[in-house]
Amino acid sequence: AQKITQTQPGMFVQEKEAVTLDCTYDTSDQSYGLFWYKQPSSGEMIFLIYQGSYDEQNATEGRYSLNFQKARKSANLVISASQLGDSAMYFCAMREARMDSNYQLIWGAGTKLIIKP
Amino acid sequence: DGGITQSPKYLFRKEGQNVTLSCEQNLNHDAMYWYRQDPGQGLRLIYYSQIVNDFQKGDIAEGYSVSREKKESFPLTVTSAQKNPTAFYLCASSRNPVSLTDTQYFGPGTRLTVL
Repeated sequence: AQKITQTQPGMFVQEKEAVTLDCTYDTSDQSYGLFWYKQPSSGEMIFLIYQGSYDEQNATEGRYSLNFQKARKSANLVISASQLGDSAMYFCAMREARMDSNYQLIWGAGTKLIIKP
Repeated sequence: DGGITQSPKYLFRKEGQNVTLSCEQNLNHDAMYWYRQDPGQGLRLIYYSQIVNDFQKGDIAEGYSVSREKKESFPLTVTSAQKNPTAFYLCASSRNPVSLTDTQYFGPGTRLTVL
């Protein structure tokens, strides 16, 4: 079973609009962390934002915020006021605290975001 | 400038050859990782190392080998035993690999093509 699901393979969004990228996860752990990364066409993975399962507030980092709904097991990335430079692949990843996970990241398949001028 | 460098950016290999991808970091991170990325897929872990002179297999280690003789360096060898090595390879490092909040930072990647 997929542990991280990103249901939107691709999205087109008008410049300056807000965009929400979906991420649902599957874990039986109470303690876990969720990460979002951006991958521009150059290939490098850029860390954007982190949400811990016990964090009471949704994480925010500049124009990025996380809509964390624990009961629904979703951690959607919201980008406000999108810019042309936001065009990229976006990946959601999870780390579980279980010893047998070796604390490794589990990755989703990604969403390709294209910002239209 | 602290960061992670990977070389070469592009690599072409003939079938039956071994090739080595370089990864160096000057972030003073303890842990280093190698991932493989295929089109339309997420990252898959090949090998990781949490400390010098120690490394562990990831999900797809077959056909690959690594070494970690220095904290800064974690080279990946793609051997002839790897049946389908054409892919994009990403190296990452992190400070505290057994922390839930540990963030991995990535290099620019190496694109390997088998001719």
